[in-house]
Amino acid sequence: TQLLEQSPQFLSIQEGENLTVYCNSSSVFSSLQWYRQEPGEGPVLLVTVVTGGEVKKLKRLTFQFGDARKDSSLHITAAQPGDTGLYLCAGEGETDSWGKLQFGAGTQVVVTP
Amino acid sequence: DTGVSQDPRHKITKRGQNVTFRCDPISEHNRLYWYRQTLGQGPEFLTYFQNEAQLEKSRLLSDRFSAERPKGSFSTLEIQRTEQGDSAMYLCASSEQVSSFAGYTFGSGTRLTVV
Repeated sequence: TQLLEQSPQFLSIQEGENLTVYCNSSSVFSSLQWYRQEPGEGPVLLVTVVTGGEVKKLKRLTFQFGDARKDSSLHITAAQPGDTGLYLCAGEGETDSWGKLQFGAGTQVVVTP
Repeated sequence: DTGVSQDPRHKITKRGQNVTFRCDPISEHNRLYWYRQTLGQGPEFLTYFQNEAQLEKSRLLSDRFSAERPKGSFSTLEIQRTEQGDSAMYLCASSEQVSSFAGYTFGSGTRLTVV
């Protein structure tokens, strides 16, 4: 059972457009991470957010952690074909003291030239 | 260090056979995790080690599954009497922090197909 709900499940856009992916839960997380996964490969860490309300920017990617630490969003500005991939959010529960991550089902993003 | 290595990358086996996968984590990482990922889903936690100690196993892990990490270095995941439902990508990850703030480093996975 995935405790983290990601939306949308699939997103297809053209190069240059903006997109936002959402990650929601009824649980509070001590930290939340975003990964990108390409076909046949393992996920690669993009960012970790820890503080409620935190905003982090990584070039054209902006990550936000909700004030209540139950939700997060990933916004990509001027998407490029290289942004294509499966975007996964993963949360560390407040009671999980040893770093266990729970993953959402992912959002498949396709950016066409 | 070239990251987390998993072997083999692909495995096709007949139902009922046993299979074993290997994971070599980043050398200074003392935590090692096994996850399973099926098509259209995110990774699901299976088990984890701190050094050589296996500290938690998911309820997803039936008694046909066993994992070891002798000497706290590489780890193996064995599946006995494989079933078609075991077909999935098996991912290994390692981390060095007590918390996950530093993130996991994943291997490329082992794709298991049970026919």
